[in-house]
Amino acid sequence: QKEVEQDPGPLSVPEGAIVSLNCTYSNSAFQYFMWYRQYSRKGPELLMYTYSSGNKEDGRFTAQVDKSSKYISLFIRDSQPSDSATYLCAMSDAGNNRKLIWGLGTSLGVNP
Amino acid sequence: GAVVSQHPSRVICKSGTSVKIECRSLDFQATTMFWYRQFPKQSLMLMATSNEGSKATYEQGVEKDKFLINHASLTLSTLTVTSAHPEDSSFYICSARVSGLDYGYTFGSGTRLTVV
Repeated sequence: QKEVEQDPGPLSVPEGAIVSLNCTYSNSAFQYFMWYRQYSRKGPELLMYTYSSGNKEDGRFTAQVDKSSKYISLFIRDSQPSDSATYLCAMSDAGNNRKLIWGLGTSLGVNP
Repeated sequence: GAVVSQHPSRVICKSGTSVKIECRSLDFQATTMFWYRQFPKQSLMLMATSNEGSKATYEQGVEKDKFLINHASLTLSTLTVTSAHPEDSSFYICSARVSGLDYGYTFGSGTRLTVV
């Protein structure tokens, strides 16, 4: 079993839809949770980060962490064609180097 | 702020030659740099972690003699792929942890290596 599971998709939605992306994990020591967006042939870009459980909102993006269920989510409201990208979840424990453990990434396409 | 500049963005080399990839932190000091490899439609695979002034720590299965990492200063880390083979063709990305960036990591733009 992988430490982090993420459905690779692809996920295709119409413009304006609400998108829900999810990851599950098995390591209860994870404390830091991040969502990255990666456009083709580019480095990942940090979208959201959350420490421990709870919600965090930034514009059209909302990140949720449920540590009891070992489940994290990213919601995108009013999705735009420019949101078409691969979304990767990443998480780490509180160790010295805080090595990130990555999900496989979900490919999202938003159709105009 | 917190930009990592990675060069080259794309390189094609012949089998048997060596290729050097550079990552520079432009406006902050990168004490720790992470080097990743990414195959098409796959996630990032951590290759090694380098700390300024000390030897890199390689992940299991990564050949340290093939992938040489140097982190001699707080603003520059390099990855050299030695005696490259076609199977080394991949997308290589560096990343640095930035204090004060909401715990985030900033990434270079990646290097597409093709070995022919």
